[in-house]
Amino acid sequence: GENVEQHPSTLSVQEGDSAVIKCTYSDSASNYFPWYKQELGKRPQLIIDIRSNVGEKKDQRIAVTLNKTAKHFSLHITETQPEDSAVYFCAASMVYSGNTPLVFGKGTRLSVIA
Amino acid sequence: NAGVTQTPKFQVLKTGQSMTLQCAQDMNHEYMSWYRQDPGMGLRLIHYSVGAGITDQGEVPNGYNVSRSTTEDFPLRLLSAAPSQTSVYFCASSHLGGNTEAFFGQGTRLTVV
Repeated sequence: GENVEQHPSTLSVQEGDSAVIKCTYSDSASNYFPWYKQELGKRPQLIIDIRSNVGEKKDQRIAVTLNKTAKHFSLHITETQPEDSAVYFCAASMVYSGNTPLVFGKGTRLSVIA
Repeated sequence: NAGVTQTPKFQVLKTGQSMTLQCAQDMNHEYMSWYRQDPGMGLRLIHYSVGAGITDQGEVPNGYNVSRSTTEDFPLRLLSAAPSQTSVYFCASSHLGGNTEAFFGQGTRLTVV
């Protein structure tokens, strides 16, 4: 089955700097790659996703890039703010016959230092 | 819309007890799943369902049962609780297929003593 590796496990940045989180996946059939943000004590929430027919997607200060050949995708957060502090999870899924469990990475704890 | 509702929010069990974690969604999602979250381990899939009457195992199914009698509900049963099942449990739902947004419940923090 699919296996998703996520790095780093913890990341500290100064406010205003950029943060990059990287994930690799094992199954070349995967074609959907979402990113979830989980604030302390809260539920995970989708912040951005990308499909395999797109190489990059942006939403304000957040961007995701996908390299299908290398089987890796990355989350980029620019101009970080204290409210960006959270745990971020990447995930991957395969679309076939409609039933495609999301497989998550182990998460990255991002701390933005004011 | 309430979204995905999980009950209870907190639970303490003694080893060997059984219980059911409830999950309900009102978005008419076909796909529902249960994850457990442990420190440093991310979200690991326990069981999932693509519709009423259809369930399948995920990565860590042992010690858990599920059933899906309606589109709205997807309860998770712990048959005989063990300390290793101490975790935070999340239910999630989405339209069919993992390629659409998964909405999570607020989580159930379970402690087995």
